[in-house]
Amino acid sequence: NAGVTQTPKFQVLKTGQSMTLQCAQDMNHEYMSWYRQDPGMGLRLIHYSVGAGITDQGEVPNGYNVSRSTTEDFPLRLLSAAPSQTSVYFCASSYGAVLGVGELFFGEGSRLTVL
Amino acid sequence: QQQVKQSPQSLIVQKGGISIINCAYENTAFDYFPWYQQFPGKGPALLIAIRPDVSEKKEGRFTISFNKSAKQFSLHIMDSQPGDSATYFCAASILSGGSNYKLTFGKGTLLTVNP
Repeated sequence: NAGVTQTPKFQVLKTGQSMTLQCAQDMNHEYMSWYRQDPGMGLRLIHYSVGAGITDQGEVPNGYNVSRSTTEDFPLRLLSAAPSQTSVYFCASSYGAVLGVGELFFGEGSRLTVL
Repeated sequence: QQQVKQSPQSLIVQKGGISIINCAYENTAFDYFPWYQQFPGKGPALLIAIRPDVSEKKEGRFTISFNKSAKQFSLHIMDSQPGDSATYFCAASILSGGSNYKLTFGKGTLLTVNP
């Protein structure tokens, strides 16, 4: 069972470049989300989705776009990378979205460096 | 506004000792309080969780204590082992609130268990 798969694991960008972090889950989870993890800041929610075609902003959405065309995939797009977006990004999914977020299953992370 | 405050930031414990990590929350609507464990280079994984209708939940060496009136909950790791060395995150969400789909994390505690 693959669970939540993130690609790439490592990426270096130059300021102003765009890129997409991929996330796929094979557990038929309704809920998917993106977090960023920075030292001393914990995990901060960027965007989330409660089903195909439905997305919403989290705590730190600026500079990021998401879409959810299928249940399995939830890509995160950086439109014009900035050094402040240097971080480790985690995709997470959960089985339930009707009542709220239960157990989150995380991917192994994507480490992004913006020069 | 930091809705979940976690302390300490770091903790060093001797093998066999008790590790205690504390969290405090502000939103009285929170009704789901999980703890996540993260090893270096990996995504966080659910360790143990509690709902506010009980004051304590134990799973092996890990215990959550919950104090609803004080709006505090804590993780106790009994007989701490070097393999428990990891970053621990407390979190809170509204599981039965209908439209709330955000799991709010504390900033994390880096636990080191010395042999």
